[in-house]
Amino acid sequence: NAGVTQTPKFRILKIGQSMTLQCTQDMNHNYMYWYRQDPGMGLKLIYYSVGAGITDKGEVPNGYNVSRSTTEDFPLRLELAAPSQTSVYFCASSIVGGRDEQYFGPGTRLTVT
Amino acid sequence: QKEVEQNSGPLSVPEGAIASLNCTYSDRVSQSFFWYRQYSGKSPELIMSIYSNGDKEDGRFTAQLNKASQYVSLLIRDSQPSDSATYLCAVNPNSGGSNYKLTFGKGTLLTVNP
Repeated sequence: NAGVTQTPKFRILKIGQSMTLQCTQDMNHNYMYWYRQDPGMGLKLIYYSVGAGITDKGEVPNGYNVSRSTTEDFPLRLELAAPSQTSVYFCASSIVGGRDEQYFGPGTRLTVT
Repeated sequence: QKEVEQNSGPLSVPEGAIASLNCTYSDRVSQSFFWYRQYSGKSPELIMSIYSNGDKEDGRFTAQLNKASQYVSLLIRDSQPSDSATYLCAVNPNSGGSNYKLTFGKGTLLTVNP
């Protein structure tokens, strides 16, 4: 099993550009999550999904969108990138939401200039 | 806003000592508690979970939970330089429709000196 994979590993965007961060898991987990982590800070939940076709906002959803058309994939879309979106983005998945371990992908380091 | 508080550190201990990491949480009905370790530039990985009051031991790691005091801690015995990392406390509130999610603290940076 590859676990949770994310692409790209690094990306530099110009202000106003858009991009999609890809996340795929091969563990057949229903629950998937997107977090951002700023230096010296913990993880902030952006969006989460409890199954294909079902998504909901987390703590910091503004400027982002998600979709979940399959169990495996949970892409995160950034529209009109802003410097405040410079961060490290982690995707995670779990078998059961909340009470169960979350498995994290390797992260995407995004810089917006 | 449900909060999870940790001392940011850095916490510095000599090799072989006991490292004690602490975490408090604001939501009294929280049910599930986790400690994640994150090496610099890497993703978090789970090292301990605890759901009931008391102690839970796994090798050199012991998690302690006191729901009355809203306090969870992690003890690392015989600390090794390889334990140097940021330790994130995470809490699942399990209430108000938020039972699918975790709230993370900012993390405590631990340095173990040889």
